[in-house]
Amino acid sequence: IAGITQAPTSQILAAGRRMTLRCTQDMRHNAMYWYRQDLGLGLRLIHYSNTAGTTGKGEVPDGYSVSRANTDDFPLTLASAVPSQTSVYFCASSETLTKNIQYFGAGTRLSVL
Amino acid sequence: RKEVEQDPGPFNVPEGATVAFNCTYSNSASQSFFWYRQDCRKEPKLLMSVYSSGNEDGRFTAQLNRASQYISLLIRDSKLSDSATYLCVVNGRGNNNDMRFGAGTRLTVKP
Repeated sequence: IAGITQAPTSQILAAGRRMTLRCTQDMRHNAMYWYRQDLGLGLRLIHYSNTAGTTGKGEVPDGYSVSRANTDDFPLTLASAVPSQTSVYFCASSETLTKNIQYFGAGTRLSVL
Repeated sequence: RKEVEQDPGPFNVPEGATVAFNCTYSNSASQSFFWYRQDCRKEPKLLMSVYSSGNEDGRFTAQLNRASQYISLLIRDSKLSDSATYLCVVNGRGNNNDMRFGAGTRLTVKP
């Protein structure tokens, strides 16, 4: 089934550890995004990528990095996790940066202790 | 002030009821508007886009008021399956790297 796959589904992580959240899409979409969702706040954009080889910062990029080596994969890395990064992380994609419909993965629940 | 604000909810309504949600946005330059639906512990999914002239999709009607900077969602003849959180989404610059999400309004439809 076409769509976006995120891994892991959930993770408990010790503070200071490095963690990479994986995101893969098979829709050949050019644009991909990483959001975090916290209680009482809307989804907030962390980083985005217009196309393979390019990335950009969103609203809350600090403490996160991304790469886009190919069209399908868009991993999000926490170099040294902190408790404030406890959240639900959603990866999304759209055909292009300007085609507004975004499709979301099932999310990764991350707890940093 | 948050860029996108929604009715705090929760809304608890009986089956068959009509319910309306409002959402206000602060950026007058916003160009695109959407309603997404999110089920408990699931990912958001597009419910409908909101067009300037208003639009309808079955039991769902969306309206945009640019002068007052708000959008609304009306659900008629509520079904149990409509129970979810509804997210208001506003696109600030016409491209997807500036999508602003409201915190959501929770709806529970009861038998």
